[in-house]
Amino acid sequence: QVQLQQWGAGLLKPSETLSLTCGVFGGTLSGYRWTWVRQPPGKGLEWIGEILDSGYTNNNPSLKSRATISIDTSDNHFSLRLASVTAADTGIYFCARGYSNAFDFWGQGTLVNVSS
Amino acid sequence: SSELTQDPVVSVALGQTVRITCRGDNLRTYFASWYQQKPGQAPILVIYNRSTRPSGIPNRFSGSGSGNTASLTISGTQAGDEADYYCHSRDASERRIFGGGTRLTVL
Repeated sequence: QVQLQQWGAGLLKPSETLSLTCGVFGGTLSGYRWTWVRQPPGKGLEWIGEILDSGYTNNNPSLKSRATISIDTSDNHFSLRLASVTAADTGIYFCARGYSNAFDFWGQGTLVNVSS
Repeated sequence: SSELTQDPVVSVALGQTVRITCRGDNLRTYFASWYQQKPGQAPILVIYNRSTRPSGIPNRFSGSGSGNTASLTISGTQAGDEADYYCHSRDASERRIFGGGTRLTVL
């Protein structure tokens, strides 16, 4: 059974860079879209972007190139960096595995709070 | 439009059948998937490719769709089914899209 475990800093100041990592256990990175999704407090899900094991990335244009997703196939993890955060970036960040136009496994979520 | 629209709140009596709908032009071309999310938890995939149930998901959950609409139907609704439900699909630019979510209340 594939498990995704995520970690990273949960408290940031405005203008700092958010950095999260998602470890993939019990499965390969090959053949899937490794994805980041976020959820502002009390709101719905927003797709941030995805990466393949080849390094190909596909990001949500609404984030105006602030998001960078990278992958480490030797250590079976992928990461998200979101630059120049503001209070609007506060929320829970999830990593997920994308397959067949769906997300079948999810990380536990990381609460990120941006506050001065 | 590349948006997916869901009713914000749907209610159902215990043991009855409920249908949650998702509308969007992209659903004419791309399949929908559905997620259940309970408070404080990560979403769980309950339907993908419009009507396929992942292993471990009860057969009370079923999916269907036609035209610009996808539907998630829960039969014999249980108290534990009370949750937020999100539809998801994609657009022609491979942008992944979520619906705004439907809060299901079991009466």
